[in-house]
Amino acid sequence: QVQLVESGGGVVQPGRSLRLSCAASGLTFTDYAMHWVRQAPGSGLEWVAVISYDGRIKTYADSVKGRFTISRDNSKNTLFLHMDSLRPDDTAVFHCAGSRDSAWHNFEYWGQGTLVTVSS
Amino acid sequence: QSALTQPASVSGSPGQSITISCTGTSSDVGGGHNFVSWYQQHPGKAPKFIMYDVYIRPSGVSSRFSGSKSGNTASLTISGLQAEDEADYHCSSYTDSGGTYVFGGGTKVSVL
Repeated sequence: QVQLVESGGGVVQPGRSLRLSCAASGLTFTDYAMHWVRQAPGSGLEWVAVISYDGRIKTYADSVKGRFTISRDNSKNTLFLHMDSLRPDDTAVFHCAGSRDSAWHNFEYWGQGTLVTVSS
Repeated sequence: QSALTQPASVSGSPGQSITISCTGTSSDVGGGHNFVSWYQQHPGKAPKFIMYDVYIRPSGVSSRFSGSKSGNTASLTISGLQAEDEADYHCSSYTDSGGTYVFGGGTKVSVL
């Protein structure tokens, strides 16, 4: 049974940084590209970033480019999202999602998410 | 990277069929690919992968769910509506913009 468990969310002031983690189990982590997808309160899903199975390819949404960095540690089956210069409109539940390396466009497995609140 | 357009809500009675539309542009839904997928999300839960490549159901997903696409609009149809289908539904598409992805605003399905 595949499990993706996010952690690291919380309340942070505008301009500060935060790092999210996503621990994966029940799948061969290196067979999967991994995404971060966020959902602001009362809104739809917004794709944030993707990283290839080996960490060499990273792509970002324009809304976070230059502020967020996606990374992974395959030895620990863990995905990360380092967020700098946080803004109030970054407030959202952040989900990690896994896609088979042959089909990055299919978000097959999802975590429950971790809430990030950016507020002074 | 504008969000795909979905109706905010769709409702139907048990046993009826409903269709949720997902409208994008020639740079995403209407592009030269079939990389459109759908996700079901019950309140407080993680999204669930229910359709990919426009019309293919992952293993274990009910055959009451079907998908299609015409031009810049993809659609998800739920036949024989059941109480358990009451949830939010999100569409997603690959985009031609640097290998990125876009979601719709989500549609709340209510079973009357």
